[in-house]
Amino acid sequence: GAGVSQSPRYKVAKRGQDVALRCDPISGHVSLFWYQQALGQGPEFLTYFQNEAQLDKSGLPSDRFFAERPEGSVSTLKIQRTQQEDSAVYLCASSLAPRTEAFFGQGTRLTVV
Amino acid sequence: KNEVEQSPQNLTAQEGEFITINCSYSVGISALHWLQQHPGGGIVSLFMLSSGKKKHGRLIATINIQEKHSSLHITASHPRDSAVYICAAKSNFGNEKLTFGTGTRLTIIP
Repeated sequence: GAGVSQSPRYKVAKRGQDVALRCDPISGHVSLFWYQQALGQGPEFLTYFQNEAQLDKSGLPSDRFFAERPEGSVSTLKIQRTQQEDSAVYLCASSLAPRTEAFFGQGTRLTVV
Repeated sequence: KNEVEQSPQNLTAQEGEFITINCSYSVGISALHWLQQHPGGGIVSLFMLSSGKKKHGRLIATINIQEKHSSLHITASHPRDSAVYICAAKSNFGNEKLTFGTGTRLTIIP
């Protein structure tokens, strides 16, 4: 596609449920990032992939959060046993190569009830 | 103290006014992004710059590396410019992550 695509756009989960959020980066983009944006706040870094390698996962808030990019293109962010504090917009961004401009998806708004 | 700080947090102006949004950072950076976010969450990259000045239409971004400061200017502002503007610093330590400011909510009144 022409841009970074994320799905679903909206997700409502019951507390304790597992969720999976998908990111389709721009074709050929090497770098992929996940960010978490709480209401009224700026995005916070979660994790970074270069191709299929997860080079930095220092921002993942707990071991309930897991991200993968097995073939170096599509990425999935999984949150196990969701909690209310996980409610946020999850943003994916990709860039052609390190140190180039990042392009963002529309985000997935997760609400945990 | 946040590593990236923006001011003002909120800005309301009349259509046609010249707008300036400021961003200061305390970390070493390889580049600084200016981003626009509309209600609904989508983020659009406006500029990525590491020195000097860039211009695109009515938007101008400048950066002073020595002073660790960047500004985003909008000339002849229009109601459609109403959005949240976010600056984000890209680390120069090679991990590529962006550190974001909390954003400036801009409202342009017709």
